[in-house]
Amino acid sequence: DTAVSQTPKYLVTQMGNDKSIKCEQNLGHDTMYWYKQDSKKFLKIMFSYNNKELIINETVPNRFSPKSPDKAHLNLHINSLELGDSAVYFCASTSGGGIGQFFGPGTRLTVL
Amino acid sequence: QKEVEQDPGPLSVPEGAIVSLNCTYSNSAFQYFMWYRQYSRKGPELLMYTYSSGNKEDGRFTAQVDKSSKYISLFIRDSQPSDSATYLCAMTGNQFYFGTGTSLTVIP
Repeated sequence: DTAVSQTPKYLVTQMGNDKSIKCEQNLGHDTMYWYKQDSKKFLKIMFSYNNKELIINETVPNRFSPKSPDKAHLNLHINSLELGDSAVYFCASTSGGGIGQFFGPGTRLTVL
Repeated sequence: QKEVEQDPGPLSVPEGAIVSLNCTYSNSAFQYFMWYRQYSRKGPELLMYTYSSGNKEDGRFTAQVDKSSKYISLFIRDSQPSDSATYLCAMTGNQFYFGTGTSLTVIP
């Protein structure tokens, strides 16, 4: 059973479109994250979210918005996609007292 | 100054070599120190973690933390081609911070 899953695995779209990436974790964790990994492999945190608090990295454009229908899901919605949004997006989760984060397999987004 | 600095490499070693991967950091509040391994086109996976200063060993891997120098290391003994990956250090006080990753290739 996959611990952290993401869909889709690949996403190719045109500039200006709106898209969503879904994330689900079955680990019972209470905190979830979205990361962006650029071509140089740098992992940049975008959001962290638990049922109490959303923490937004201030450098993330407001075109990006996390949506959590429940504790096991944290989806990422992106409006008006731009070329610079092309990257791999990773979802991750951790428990409140946990040390490491468990990552999903990533969604490779290409904006044309 | 970045919170965490890591030499991106790439690092290329022959099979069986000892590999040393390092990170420096600036925030003395960091308490947990982690190493992640990321294979190509996969998500990072937690390799090992240490709390505060000291060493931790797990098979061929040893993690070392020197809080006085704000320096952490990961040693891989008897490196194997299957160790070829990008290794990211990470640390946390109240937030997670990742290094940029070091790309390692072990040549058979």
